[in-house]
Amino acid sequence: GQQLNQSPQSMFIQEGEDVSMNCTSSSIFNTWLWYKQDPGEGPVLLIALYKAGELTSNGRLTAQFGITRKDSFLNISASIPSDVGIYFCAGQLLEYGNKLVFGAGTILRVKS
Amino acid sequence: DAGITQSPRHKVTETGTPVTLRCHQTENHRYMYWYRQDPGHGLRLIHYSYGVKDTDKGEVSDGYSVSRSKTEDFLLTLESATSSQTSVYFCAISVQGNTEAFFGQGTRLTVV
Repeated sequence: GQQLNQSPQSMFIQEGEDVSMNCTSSSIFNTWLWYKQDPGEGPVLLIALYKAGELTSNGRLTAQFGITRKDSFLNISASIPSDVGIYFCAGQLLEYGNKLVFGAGTILRVKS
Repeated sequence: DAGITQSPRHKVTETGTPVTLRCHQTENHRYMYWYRQDPGHGLRLIHYSYGVKDTDKGEVSDGYSVSRSKTEDFLLTLESATSSQTSVYFCAISVQGNTEAFFGQGTRLTVV
């Protein structure tokens, strides 16, 4: 199947820290999407990227569509407790038609 | 919130029984998807639809069938449920196949 590698798998944050996660693939993507999922809920769209090199912000979130079209990153600045959850990247593969492929997710937890 | 309703939200069924999950949308979006979510796998596409009576397989379609007789409804059927189909199932919709997908709240299915 299609390979979309998301890292890290999990991370701990302290309030106020910046957070970074990324997705990479050996395939070329047309679209990159970033979602957040809270427990018991469906994923909620955070940012959508459609062009190579595109850099888009949504409040404290910033995401970029890699110039090679094979990767994307998501940064969260000045994290707050409600940022905890699972973050997913998703991409539409050029050769996969109109279907989205998802990464395995990054679990964000708060350091105690 | 996108107008997506999944039913039931929770279901426990016995191995070998048929099960149908329903996704209903009020957005009149053309594309509808069924995903399953399992730990360590992210979201994997089961089937999708690009119009009434137009469906196609995803990466994990074995053991599942779908039907779309109306724009607003997309049904997922497990003809004979197995324990490996215990999962959380998400429906998603999108205007076009390569644009943002919006998710329902999920159905937790347990096959005993």
